[in-house]
Amino acid sequence: KNEVEQSPQNLTAQEGEFITINCSYSVGISALHWLQQHPGGGIVSLFMLSSGKKKHGRLIATINIQEKHSSLHITASHPRDSAVYICAVTSYNTGNQFYFGTGTSLTVIP
Amino acid sequence: DAGITQSPRHKVTETGTPVTLRCHQTENHRYMYWYRQDPGHGLRLIHYSYGVKDTDKGEVSDGYSVSRSKTEDFLLTLESATSSQTSVYFCAISAAQTDTQYFGPGTRLTVL
Repeated sequence: KNEVEQSPQNLTAQEGEFITINCSYSVGISALHWLQQHPGGGIVSLFMLSSGKKKHGRLIATINIQEKHSSLHITASHPRDSAVYICAVTSYNTGNQFYFGTGTSLTVIP
Repeated sequence: DAGITQSPRHKVTETGTPVTLRCHQTENHRYMYWYRQDPGHGLRLIHYSYGVKDTDKGEVSDGYSVSRSKTEDFLLTLESATSSQTSVYFCAISAAQTDTQYFGPGTRLTVL
């Protein structure tokens, strides 16, 4: 049983499209994180949120605590957005341990 | 970029040999983590440290040990490597347990 589930697993989009990646979790959380992993392997943190919405450039992250669900949106997608996007949560049920989803692989075609 | 380095970046070894991976940080962050990443599993926590000489087990700690004798260094040791430990290993750091984690570049380990 995975504490964090992401959908879709794979996503292909045309440049300029609006993209949504979903994350559902089953544990009580202190915070939810969205990470980006580029083909070279490096992992960077995009957002950390515990309520509401955050925006950074073309990226928007939202969270609904009652529904235990978060979404990552990319507006006006670009080929450089091609990466694996990983959802993670810190759970207060287990001493704030991190749980990670298996990631969504996004390919944006020019 | 947070100052985190991992060494070696790539290693091929044989079953039964000991292996030590090193994570070094220049950020003076309290928390350090070792993860492994395998297809279909996502990142899984092996061990973490919440201070010098303070460590705890994660989800997949069997077969691994860690040590932290200085704030800046966190070592992961495979006492006797097995093929099931072939993976990509990531180190991460954070100032507090619920804070953003900053990841190292990863170490690709192959156990033959």
